Amino acid sequence: KNQVEQSPQSLIILEGKNCTLQCNYTVSPFSNLRWYKQDTGRGPVSLTIMTFSENTKSNGRYTATLDADTKQSSLHITASQLSDSASYICVVSAWGNAGKSTFGDGTTLTVKP
Amino acid sequence: NAGVTQTPKFQVLKTGQSMTLQCAQDMNHNSMYWYRQDPGMGLRLIYYSASEGTTDKGEVPNGYNVSRLNKREFSLRLESAAPSQTSVYFCASSEWGLAGGYANEQFFGPGTRLTVL
Repeated sequence: KNQVEQSPQSLIILEGKNCTLQCNYTVSPFSNLRWYKQDTGRGPVSLTIMTFSENTKSNGRYTATLDADTKQSSLHITASQLSDSASYICVVSAWGNAGKSTFGDGTTLTVKP
Repeated sequence: NAGVTQTPKFQVLKTGQSMTLQCAQDMNHNSMYWYRQDPGMGLRLIYYSASEGTTDKGEVPNGYNVSRLNKREFSLRLESAAPSQTSVYFCASSEWGLAGGYANEQFFGPGTRLTVL
């Protein structure tokens, strides 16, 4: 069964600090991995999308890495801001199953002043 | 461009009532999706439409029906609402890569918060 596991479940950091969120998956055959940011009360917004051949991708202060061999991804947030407080969701898609991406439960990040 | 729009934003139903959630996208995407999100849980796929004229069941389709009205619009219907359907419902759209081989970036609507009493 395809699965996506995210850790930690929740995280509290001080403004200006860095943090790293983890995503492990068992989706096969792997197609792509996407990270989304979901603010409270809003729909998810895409941060990055990576295919098999990509091992890092940045979007401003967000940097995602992918290790397709170990089936792990991480999202690194640099110099956190209060606006980074949100849920971060890892989503993995398999080839030939485009309609049925597998979603992680998300990591809730709280940035405190 | 409005992106993905959903109506209504909030809805309260009594058990047994029916309603239709509306979704429209203006990005000319072929694929559209309906998800539900319960507290502390990830998004779960209810139904999706890979292209106009086709619909397929997702992970949790029971109690729901869908209609892909045209390329822009994809509606979700609850025929007889139950308290277990209390949730936040998200519509999304995307393009497919390489003729449908994989899912591309999905664009989500703002959600409909549904309470069934």
